[in-house]
Amino acid sequence: DTGVSQNPRHKITKRGQNVTFRCDPISEHNRLYWYRQTLGQGPEFLTYFQNEAQLEKSRLLSDRFSAERPKGSFSTLEIQRTEQGDSAMYLCASSPVGGRSSYEQYFGPGTRLTVT
Amino acid sequence: AQKVTQAQTEISVVEKEDVTLDCVYETRDTTYYLFWYKQPPSGELVFLIRRNSFDEQNEISGRYSWNFQKSTSSFNFTITASQVVDSAVYFCALTSNSNSGYALNFGKGTSLLVTP
Repeated sequence: DTGVSQNPRHKITKRGQNVTFRCDPISEHNRLYWYRQTLGQGPEFLTYFQNEAQLEKSRLLSDRFSAERPKGSFSTLEIQRTEQGDSAMYLCASSPVGGRSSYEQYFGPGTRLTVT
Repeated sequence: AQKVTQAQTEISVVEKEDVTLDCVYETRDTTYYLFWYKQPPSGELVFLIRRNSFDEQNEISGRYSWNFQKSTSSFNFTITASQVVDSAVYFCALTSNSNSGYALNFGKGTSLLVTP
C-alpha cells in the first residue's frame, strides 16, 4: 500500500505533556500538509511543506506547535504542553506538484489526540 | 476570503433512493478548484473528485455524479440508488493560488445515513 500513513492512530495524554505525531506521505509527492479536525467540523489547515521547506503556517498553529520535514520525506508534528483544547483529529495529506493530479490531496487515516 | 457552505448537516435516506448533497462556495479568484471527499466512520478522508473552474462539464462516475454551475457558485453531488456503504460524512472543499500551497478550505460536511 503506497498511501499516506500516520502514526500513532490514537494518542491519549495528560495535560501538560508533549506529544509527537508522524506522517509518511506518498513517496513521489512534494507537498505535505497538516490539518486539524474537531468534532462536527471540516478539517482546518495548519501548515504545509514543499519538500523540506515549511512554507506556510496557519494562525491556528500556536507557538506550542512545531512541524518538521527533514530531507523532504516524512514529517513530524509536535505539540508541547498539551491543553484540553488540543484534543482533535490531526490529518496529514500529500500532493504532487505538476501533472494531471496537481492540487489533489490524499489524506492519511489521521491521529486522534485526546488530552485528559 | 474563500468560503464553502454545506447547508445540509444531516441527511437520512432509505437504500436505493437518490440523494443530492449541496455545496455553495465563495471566492474572488477566477481560477479555482473544487473537491469532494468522503469520510467514512473509520476517519480517513477519501478523495472523490476535483473540478477546475474553467471546466463546467458535469461528470458521472458509476452511481456518483457532480453538477458544477458557476452561475450559482454551486458544486452539488448526487448519489443514485444509494447503498448502506455510502453512509459517511461528505465534505466539499475549495482552493486556488490565493491559498498558500493550494491548501484546502473545507465546508462543515454533510452526514449521510443510508438505512436498509
